[in-house]
Amino acid sequence: DVKVTQSSRYLVKRTGEKVFLECVQDMDHENMFWYRQDPGLGLRLIYFSYDVKMKEKGDIPEGYSVSREKKERFSLILESASTNQTSMYLCASSFQDLNYNEQFFGPGTRLTVL
Amino acid sequence: GQQVMQIPQYQHVQEGEDFTTYCNSSTTLSNIQWYKQRPGGHPVFLIQLVKSGEVKKQKRLTFQFGEAKKNSSLHITATQTTDVGTYFCAGRGTSYGKLTFGQGTILTVHP
Repeated sequence: DVKVTQSSRYLVKRTGEKVFLECVQDMDHENMFWYRQDPGLGLRLIYFSYDVKMKEKGDIPEGYSVSREKKERFSLILESASTNQTSMYLCASSFQDLNYNEQFFGPGTRLTVL
Repeated sequence: GQQVMQIPQYQHVQEGEDFTTYCNSSTTLSNIQWYKQRPGGHPVFLIQLVKSGEVKKQKRLTFQFGEAKKNSSLHITATQTTDVGTYFCAGRGTSYGKLTFGQGTILTVHP
């Protein structure tokens, strides 16, 4: 059974803290993605990676960075958390093939920054 | 950049009524995908449309891709309480499988 796992379901951090969110997939997917989901705004892409050590900015990369050292693992880093980064964070992965590129999502991490 | 607009944002229906959500892209898409997110859950893939004018059905769900490959719709016939959730369209442009998601339509079904 295909699986995307995220390191935490709920996380509470203080303003200014460095935050790491980790995502692991077991499907040998080339692509991995980080989204944030806020009411009324849908899923907004933060960063994605199409290969190990490769990354591209999404629509809202400011305040975030990412790391992909291994194919199965994609980390999202908030260098200095702020209250406006309180959100649900979803990781996803997919193949690059045009015909088989559905995205598989993890369960999400609800991050609260106080 | 590519933008995908989805309407309506909310839809309340009585069980048994039909439901439609619409998706429009600012640019031509390689394909469009639809996802469903149950309350408290994560998005789950429903279907992908690739060809201009394509229509696909999954039981009571009908998906259409416009002739110009810039718009799409999802129609549910005779809604059931199990249809409750948020429906997202997501358009793929040209790069590496990156999708642009619409804002989603939250469907509530009253029994």
